[in-house]
Amino acid sequence: EDQVTQSPEALRLQEGESSSLNCSYTVSGLRGLFWYRQDPGKGPEFLFTLYSAGEEKEKERLKATLTKKESFLHITAPKPEDSATYLCAVLNFGNEKLTFGTGTRLTIIP
Amino acid sequence: DTEVTQTPKHLVMGMTNKKSLKCEQHMGHRAMYWYKQKAKKPPELMFVYSYEKLSINESVPSRFSPECPNSSLLNLHLHALQPEDSALYLCASSYRRLGLVNREVEQFFGPGTRLTVL
Repeated sequence: EDQVTQSPEALRLQEGESSSLNCSYTVSGLRGLFWYRQDPGKGPEFLFTLYSAGEEKEKERLKATLTKKESFLHITAPKPEDSATYLCAVLNFGNEKLTFGTGTRLTIIP
Repeated sequence: DTEVTQTPKHLVMGMTNKKSLKCEQHMGHRAMYWYKQKAKKPPELMFVYSYEKLSINESVPSRFSPECPNSSLLNLHLHALQPEDSALYLCASSYRRLGLVNREVEQFFGPGTRLTVL
């Protein structure tokens, strides 16, 4: 059974204080690893997909990396508007269903 | 454009009511999904439609009835719901469910419908 574990559960940072969110996964055949941002009461917003170990993608202050066991979402010099829950999900070649982690709730303090 | 729209934004219904949620996308996607999300939990898959045919039903109670009238529209019909069904209902779409090209399986979510069952 596919498993996704995200850490930390919650993270509070000062504005400008860089950090990383972790997503560890176990999947029999990785089709893709997805990062989403979710604001309270709204649908997840697609950020990145990573398909193979060693792949990296960047968008503004966010950079996602992938190894064979985990993915990191690095946030550089965050701003208050980066506050949200960040969800990681994996897609398995075998069943083609997204398995989500429980998310990291990120708060950026001005 | 990667927009999925959902209506209504909020819905309050009694346990004897019948209501429907609507989802629409115009990205040419042929796979559409319904998810349920409870507070502080990740989305849970309910149904998957591929080329307008139901391909996955995650053992969802029959009081939830999905419908895909065409490739752009997805409905979720609700009847005799329970208070524990109160949640955020999310629609998503992807180019294909079983994509040959990597980007075909990327799922884009709508804003959700906040459902409250009294």
